[in-house]
Amino acid sequence: SQQGEEDPQALSIQEGENATMNCSYKTSINNLQWYRQNSGRGLVHLILIRSNEREKHSGRLRVTLDTSKKSSSLLITASRAADTASYFCATDGGGGGADGLTFGKGTHLIIQP
Amino acid sequence: DTEVTQTPKHLVMGMTNKKSLKCEQHMGHRAMYWYKQKAKKPPELMFVYSYEKLSINESVPSRFSPECPNSSLLNLHLHALQPEDSALYLCASSPKRQNTGELFFGEGSRLTVL
Repeated sequence: SQQGEEDPQALSIQEGENATMNCSYKTSINNLQWYRQNSGRGLVHLILIRSNEREKHSGRLRVTLDTSKKSSSLLITASRAADTASYFCATDGGGGGADGLTFGKGTHLIIQP
Repeated sequence: DTEVTQTPKHLVMGMTNKKSLKCEQHMGHRAMYWYKQKAKKPPELMFVYSYEKLSINESVPSRFSPECPNSSLLNLHLHALQPEDSALYLCASSPKRQNTGELFFGEGSRLTVL
């Protein structure tokens, strides 16, 4: 199965700065999603971008998708302490049906107050 | 109701015990999932149920036995587990669509096998 790869694995920035995380994947997709996970908790869906979209915005989040490079980026602007969490990209494998998502290794983001 | 509820939140069991993890959703979703997550690792897909039928089993050992009694409930029966099975077990659901859209996750059941 495909496996997304995020970089960096860990990122520490000051509150108010922007945070950028990247994700690469290996096979075709229908969509790519980003999730946040606070320590030891469940995952929360942030944003979904379809394979025919190149950029999407939601509040302070901006996601880009380059299917030719099989890569995506997540930008969080004006970061806050509450954004401290792990962020995962996830892909659906390109098939039909509710086959679940394959998650990347994740980026652990720390926002210093 | 947009919640996926998992019980118990924490479970400690011995290698000879039999226990179950439970998951419930009332969003009318017809696809439900079990994921396993080890510390500092991404969630790994274990099982997918679609319309109460097991559609995907990602080569999970038989000591994990899933069950979907109805469209709202998903169980994971545990028997003769090993210490390396200690992990956070996450349940998720999604509307049955052509492709996998947003997954709604529960808070997880943290399992410790002694």
